[in-house]
Amino acid sequence: EVLLEQSGAEVKEPGESLKISCQGSGYTFRNYWIAWVRQMPGKGLEWMAIINPRDSITRYSPSFEGHVTISVDESINTAYLQWVSLRASDTAMYFCARLWVSATGTSGLDSWGQGTLVTVSS
Amino acid sequence: AIQMTQSPSSLSASVGDKVTITCRASQDIRNDLGWYQLKPGRAPRLLIYSASNLQSGVPSRFSGSGSGTDFTLTISSLQPEDFATYTCLQDYDYPWTFGQGTKVEIK
Repeated sequence: EVLLEQSGAEVKEPGESLKISCQGSGYTFRNYWIAWVRQMPGKGLEWMAIINPRDSITRYSPSFEGHVTISVDESINTAYLQWVSLRASDTAMYFCARLWVSATGTSGLDSWGQGTLVTVSS
Repeated sequence: AIQMTQSPSSLSASVGDKVTITCRASQDIRNDLGWYQLKPGRAPRLLIYSASNLQSGVPSRFSGSGSGTDFTLTISSLQPEDFATYTCLQDYDYPWTFGQGTKVEIK
């Protein structure tokens, strides 16, 4: 069974740093890109970024580039999303998701983590 | 960035109804679009990938169609467990972009 297990909820103050994680199991981690998606309270989904675990190639949404960094540690099948300086507006649920691509090129985010709730408040 | 315009933003329907949700892309995205179901407190669920392919394990009452700029998600006979929010995602070009979502409520 494919599983993406995310780290637990976090409560932080503005200006603090944070790194949340997403550990994959039940599949060959390096073969599937991992995306990060934000859901602010009461809002829809926003695509943030994606990373290839094989070579750590990344692509970011301009809305998030420069404020967050994504990375992977292939040795422990884990992807990360980190902030250097959190803002109150970063309060949201963050999901990781696996990008599945078929042999014919069809694709979708087929497995998702349970989400990590990040609360930033003074 | 490619804009995804989803409509309606919400709808009320009864069990057994046929429901149609649309997404329009601001440019041609071929068939690089997926549909996802969102429920509170749960991870999003992939329903349809590449516009018209039913994800494994998803009931056949869900179907997707379209290509280019106009796409449709259809639920042929709404079931109680289908009351949720539905959103589209284009994965044709970076940055990928979601539609605003459609909340399907009980009539």
